[in-house]
Amino acid sequence: GNSVTQMEGPVTLSEEAFLTINCTYTATGYPSLFWYVQYPGEGLQLLLKATKADDKGSNKGFEATYRKETTSFHLEKGSVQVSDSAVYFCALSGNGYSSASKIIFGSGTRLSIRP
Amino acid sequence: SQTIHQWPATLVQPVGSPLSLECTVEGTSNPNLYWYRQAAGRGLQLLFYSVGIGQISSEVPQNLSASRPQDRQFILSSKKLLLSDSGFYLCAWSVQAGSGNTIYFGEGSWLTVV
Repeated sequence: GNSVTQMEGPVTLSEEAFLTINCTYTATGYPSLFWYVQYPGEGLQLLLKATKADDKGSNKGFEATYRKETTSFHLEKGSVQVSDSAVYFCALSGNGYSSASKIIFGSGTRLSIRP
Repeated sequence: SQTIHQWPATLVQPVGSPLSLECTVEGTSNPNLYWYRQAAGRGLQLLFYSVGIGQISSEVPQNLSASRPQDRQFILSSKKLLLSDSGFYLCAWSVQAGSGNTIYFGEGSWLTVV
């Protein structure tokens, strides 16, 4: 079945550091890939997504490229801020038109940014 | 535009008491609906999903149940809560079928069973 594996946290960085959070997936066909962010005490918000191979999703300075050859969707940001501190979830949804299509989440990576 | 709301936002319940969490979606028709649980410091666990009124699929055996009495209403219930039911519960929706389905979450409900 489909699955998502993302790097264990917590990840602690200094402000303005470069960020990479790794995410790899296992899926049949051509899934869509997502990154969600959860700020403390809140629900999840969509950060970015990519629906086909080589697509790059981007938002708020974050980027992730859909790499089919390595089955990866790593999240990157060139210069993090304290306000980026949150938990980040990688996710995928199956392709096709099944009405039972579900979205599978990784276990989440907690990111803390030091001033 | 579409919105999703769930309530209550926070509740503290004694062991053995019943539970009812409600979720409604506005601005869309016939959505897929989901209930997730997030235990403290852990990832998301899909509990239930529904593709239509009265249709409920359960992902894990547990002390909880779900119902969908109306197209845009999804309810999570329990007859008798356990301590292990404590957690952060998230309702979510997505459009029916098709690839690239983005899932949108509600604000979440914190449940503490004491």
